[in-house]
Amino acid sequence: DARVTQTPRHKVTEMGQEVTMRCQPILGHNTVFWYRQTMMQGLELLAYFRNRAPLDDSGMPKDRFSAEMPDATLATLKIQPSEPRDSAVYFCASGGHTEAFFGQGTRLTVV
Amino acid sequence: GENVEQHPSTLSVQEGDSAVIKCTYSDSASNYFPWYKQELGKGPQLIIDIRSNVGEKKDQRIAVTLNKTAKHFSLHITETQPEDSAVYFCAGTVTGNQFYFGTGTSLTVIP
Repeated sequence: DARVTQTPRHKVTEMGQEVTMRCQPILGHNTVFWYRQTMMQGLELLAYFRNRAPLDDSGMPKDRFSAEMPDATLATLKIQPSEPRDSAVYFCASGGHTEAFFGQGTRLTVV
Repeated sequence: GENVEQHPSTLSVQEGDSAVIKCTYSDSASNYFPWYKQELGKGPQLIIDIRSNVGEKKDQRIAVTLNKTAKHFSLHITETQPEDSAVYFCAGTVTGNQFYFGTGTSLTVIP
């Protein structure tokens, strides 16, 4: 049963700390998306990659967020330093040519 | 970029009745329109999709229609059941690009 795996599922951290979220895309998928979901903004695209190359990261606050794909089986989203306004659910999704499948998300709380 | 609008934001139906959720899009180049179902604490799950060369698609109790001229598409759920209660998101994209999501519809099926 192919699925997108995200870790951790939950993270509580103090303001100013570094947070790293990880995503294992479905094997064979060449596109990886990072979305953030909040009640106010809904699903916002932060960044996406194709064949591990970043295509669009205009949705990310560049001063504190970074996204990478060190290899085809791992995508990371890092926040440094974290702030309370970063509290949200962060989703990774992977896709082939058309469809995209989401992971279960990382619920981040910054206190 | 694309702008996807979704209505209604909340919808309550009696079990067994039909539910309809409507979305409009702005970019005539968009050619792929998926629908996702999100249950509490989970990631969005792809339930059905439609491509721009098709006017209607059905899968058991759910169907999607697309009117390219009017730039709108709709999700139809027939014979609703309590387990259909969830938040539903529509999205539009040009194949291979990022997905633009609607703001979601919270569907409640009353037993």
